[in-house]
Amino acid sequence: SQQGEEDPQALSIQEGENATMNCSYKTSINNLQWYRQNSGRGLVHLILIRSNEREKHSGRLRVTLDTSKKSSSLLITASRAADTASYFCATIAGTGKLIFGQGTTLQVKP
Amino acid sequence: DVKVTQSSRYLVKRTGEKVFLECVQDMDHENMFWYRQDPGLGLRLIYFSYDVKMKEKGDIPEGYSVSREKKERFSLILESASTNQTSMYLCASSPSPTGPYTFGSGTRLTVV
Repeated sequence: SQQGEEDPQALSIQEGENATMNCSYKTSINNLQWYRQNSGRGLVHLILIRSNEREKHSGRLRVTLDTSKKSSSLLITASRAADTASYFCATIAGTGKLIFGQGTTLQVKP
Repeated sequence: DVKVTQSSRYLVKRTGEKVFLECVQDMDHENMFWYRQDPGLGLRLIYFSYDVKMKEKGDIPEGYSVSREKKERFSLILESASTNQTSMYLCASSPSPTGPYTFGSGTRLTVV
């Protein structure tokens, strides 16, 4: 069962621009996490935001969470070619299982 | 840093073979997970384990089993491989069921 849905499915920007990805989910959550996956590799954890938090920063990453709208956004500022990857949101609900969305594929052109 | 190691990056197996995918983590995490990743379907949870000798079914356990005899090792077993089990398999571990998870590099399995 898919809990999170990312939007857009694909995003192409120029180096230096900001990239924004959105995630919507269906049920109440414990926390929401964002992961990055470089082509053909495993996922790397980026940031975790708890249900009682509204915003969190980590370097060039900014994550917001709106539990009333059941949505989150990931902003990457001043993007670099190395940011080219797929980005997934994942939610933990009462089951304790991490459920992933389909992901957003980001291409950053040099 | 936590390291999760999957024994093979690429595997090719024949239909009907019994296949073992091994995963080892080095940070004493109690929680370990197996996902498969397919285009258009995203990541789907196969099995997970909260402790040694414990296992729980995920969303798509059919055709799979797991073994967790030691805390650091979580094995996924395809009892009789079929072509629809061709996929990328990802192992993960976590100190807590609520994450964050550390993933291995993945095993791309092809069943012919």
